[in-house]
Amino acid sequence: DSGVTQTPKHLITATGQRVTLRCSPRSGDLSVYWYQQSLDQGLQFLIQYYNGEERAKGNILERFSAQQFPDLHSELNLSSLELGDSALYFCASRYPLSFANTGELFFGEGSRLTVL
Amino acid sequence: AQTVTQSQPEMSVQEAETVTLSCTYDTSENNYYLFWYKQPPSRQMILVIRQEAYKQQNATENRFSVNFQKAAKSFSLKISDSQLGDTAMYFCAFMKHAGDNAGNMLTFGGGTRLMVKP
Repeated sequence: DSGVTQTPKHLITATGQRVTLRCSPRSGDLSVYWYQQSLDQGLQFLIQYYNGEERAKGNILERFSAQQFPDLHSELNLSSLELGDSALYFCASRYPLSFANTGELFFGEGSRLTVL
Repeated sequence: AQTVTQSQPEMSVQEAETVTLSCTYDTSENNYYLFWYKQPPSRQMILVIRQEAYKQQNATENRFSVNFQKAAKSFSLKISDSQLGDTAMYFCAFMKHAGDNAGNMLTFGGGTRLMVKP
């Protein structure tokens, strides 16, 4: 158990719909990352937040948006869904860098989205 | 921008034998971290091993070790005494060293699917 919690684990929806994926980082982690993994593909970086503010953005579609709340949980909103959005969406968090910590990412179990 | 390349899409190894997975990366950064993550059929992403670029000594974690060649920008993973539970997709990943509140991302290679055969 990485300590990162993602809900829902599975989600089936139709094209054109909107969904929200939720992530709770590990206790003490201020950074939250979102990644997308399509079937048998690598992980594509979507967006990073640090303590409520956006810090880095990858190839995230305009139909997708995210935010990190004051309690540090994060939500990824996917709208106008298309078949190609079907994927496993990972959230990861990172402990602040220190001598004893190299800042590796700890991943949740992912939210599997199926768009029909 | 950094890129990570894993040139072996699939590999197989007999149980108890040793296998090496290759990874190369491209960066202009001097200070960075490298990681190997494992993704078993459960799809969970599990950290296997990490290496700080400023450390010349290769990292080891039990049966897992790396061969870090900074000049060649190479970071291979060696799995000794392979076990059936090592069957998974393995991803090499790069992260530049930056402050905690800096924009920073973990860049992944395309992955190597490893099958351990009994």
